[in-house]
Amino acid sequence: SQQGEEDPQALSIQEGENATMNCSYKTSINNLQWYRQNSGRGLVHLILIRSNEREKHSGRLRVTLDTSKKSSSLLITASRAADTASYFCATRRGETSGSRLTFGEGTQLTVNP
Amino acid sequence: GAVVSQHPSWVICKSGTSVKIECRSLDFQATTMFWYRQFPKQSLMLMATSNEGSKATYEQGVEKDKFLINHASLTLSTLTVTSAHPEDSSFYICSARWVRVEKLFFGSGTQLSVL
Repeated sequence: SQQGEEDPQALSIQEGENATMNCSYKTSINNLQWYRQNSGRGLVHLILIRSNEREKHSGRLRVTLDTSKKSSSLLITASRAADTASYFCATRRGETSGSRLTFGEGTQLTVNP
Repeated sequence: GAVVSQHPSWVICKSGTSVKIECRSLDFQATTMFWYRQFPKQSLMLMATSNEGSKATYEQGVEKDKFLINHASLTLSTLTVTSAHPEDSSFYICSARWVRVEKLFFGSGTQLSVL
């Protein structure tokens, strides 16, 4: 399996509901980042959480990190149709691995109006 | 915020021709640029890491003679797909990293279709 696996692969919800996506990884990390990709576009950085942090908030986004379980979750509250996109987690390992990020398989989120 | 510009957005070419994709960091000097390939509904596959003034580091399985990367300045990296074939058709995305900044800034991607 690859470093950074998301589940579910696809998620369809109604506007106003919360969306939760999970990410699991295999090796130790320096930080974990979440990105969003609209169809046919590049990725946009959403939020970064460091290995010594457990939870972080940014607007309607809430990210948690459990290093003992090697997992992270991204919660989007009060979803909107405009949140429809693919969401990827990306992990950065220790300094010896340089600045490389490894991306997960992504979760396709569809928010129905 | 920082912006990375990628051109062209899409390109259609005949088999056997070469295609150049440009990636420019507009607001900052990128210490490192990355090139990815993405198939429909799949994740990003890192192809190579490019540092200004030095040779690119290619990932295992990526042919460096086929995918030429030039990072001539701190604001510009180019990917040239040489002698393109239909199997090279894909979505190519670049990203740039600024020194001491953890997150990546992405270009908008290039959809390459080889006929």
